[in-house]
Amino acid sequence: GNSVTQMEGPVTLSEEAFLTINCTYTATGYPSLFWYVQYPGEGLQLLLKATKADDKGSNKGFEATYRKETTSFHLEKGSVQVSDSAVYFCALSGEGGELIFGTGTRLQVFP
Amino acid sequence: EPEVTQTPSHQVTQMGQEVILRCVPISNHLYFYWYRQILGQKVEFLVSFYNNEISEKSEIFDDQFSVERPDGSNFTLKIRSTKLEDSAMYFCASVGTGRTGELFFGEGSRLTVL
Repeated sequence: GNSVTQMEGPVTLSEEAFLTINCTYTATGYPSLFWYVQYPGEGLQLLLKATKADDKGSNKGFEATYRKETTSFHLEKGSVQVSDSAVYFCALSGEGGELIFGTGTRLQVFP
Repeated sequence: EPEVTQTPSHQVTQMGQEVILRCVPISNHLYFYWYRQILGQKVEFLVSFYNNEISEKSEIFDDQFSVERPDGSNFTLKIRSTKLEDSAMYFCASVGTGRTGELFFGEGSRLTVL
């Protein structure tokens, strides 16, 4: 079945460091891919998405490219801020429209 | 900005008790979902709901769970007889532009079963 695998956290970085959070997926067909973010005490918010191969989703300085050949959707940001500290979830769309999430990766950014 | 709201934010209950978690989806949305997140684990799909009936459900969503849209605005998740392993954060979500649109999530209801 469809599944998502994310790198385990926590990821601890200093402010202005480069961020990569790896995400790979297994799916039949051509799902849409998403990154959701969960700030402390809040619900899940869509960060970015890509709906087909080679699409790049971007938002708030974060980017991820839908790579069909490597079945990956890695999240990157060139210079993280303390305010980016959160849990990041990679997800894909299931056949019924539901989202299938990875386990989440906690990012901690220190000044 | 429209948002999905959930109540209660935290509920503590005894094992075997019934619990109802409430959600008010965004008003013009048509598809509704419940997810849960056991502490430290992934967010898991429970059920989707469209046109007043369940459209998809996972194997987690067994006979002790039910969903209802009683009055056209609320969307509820009922757990009939709670177990310790039901302790989790439960998230409601809705989407308006068809099933492949962006899901908007509520802030979650934390359920603690003692």
